[in-house]
Amino acid sequence: AQKITQTQPGMFVQEKEAVTLDCTYDTSDPSYGLFWYKQPSSGEMIFLIYQGSYDQQNATEGRYSLNFQKARKSANLVISASQLGDSAMYFCAMREVYGNNRLAFGKGNQVVVIP
Amino acid sequence: AAGVIQSPRHLIKEKRETATLKCYPIPRHDTVYWYQQGPGQDPQFLISFYEKMQSDKGSIPDRFSAQQFSDYHSELNMSSLELGDSALYFCASSPRTGDTEAFFGQGTRLTVV
Repeated sequence: AQKITQTQPGMFVQEKEAVTLDCTYDTSDPSYGLFWYKQPSSGEMIFLIYQGSYDQQNATEGRYSLNFQKARKSANLVISASQLGDSAMYFCAMREVYGNNRLAFGKGNQVVVIP
Repeated sequence: AAGVIQSPRHLIKEKRETATLKCYPIPRHDTVYWYQQGPGQDPQFLISFYEKMQSDKGSIPDRFSAQQFSDYHSELNMSSLELGDSALYFCASSPRTGDTEAFFGQGTRLTVV
């Protein structure tokens, strides 16, 4: 069963606007971590932000913030003030600490920033 | 800061040939993961190592094998290559299991012709 769900179709975002990418997850492990990665067309997988299941506050890293709603099993990524260089595929991933510890990925969200 | 290093970046092989992909994790990272990403797909977990021992195994074909060496670098060996093995192969490393970092290398793009 898919542990990470990313169902949004490709998104066009105006430069300087904010965009929210949805991610829901499924786990019975009490301890887990949630990751977001950016994959531009060049192919590399760039780590953006991490949220631990016991973290009380939402993670933030520069223009990236994670809207963590544990009860809803939701970990949405918010990119503020979009830039042209933000055009990429964005993957949400989860690692279950007491499970097999691998990173399980969602299908990704395609974002295109337009000037 | 040092990142995960993968080599080669690009590799072209013929069917039934063998390929070896190398991964050098970030210093002091003792966990290495291998992923395969087909065109337009999400990364699929292949195998992982912790402290030079295999820690988890995913959808890795029997034709593939991997190991982690004493210096923590890892190699993915792929034999009897098939056209369907054409993909981007990523290595990732993290400092210990369950930690908050998991950084990926730039990937090896394998093309089987």
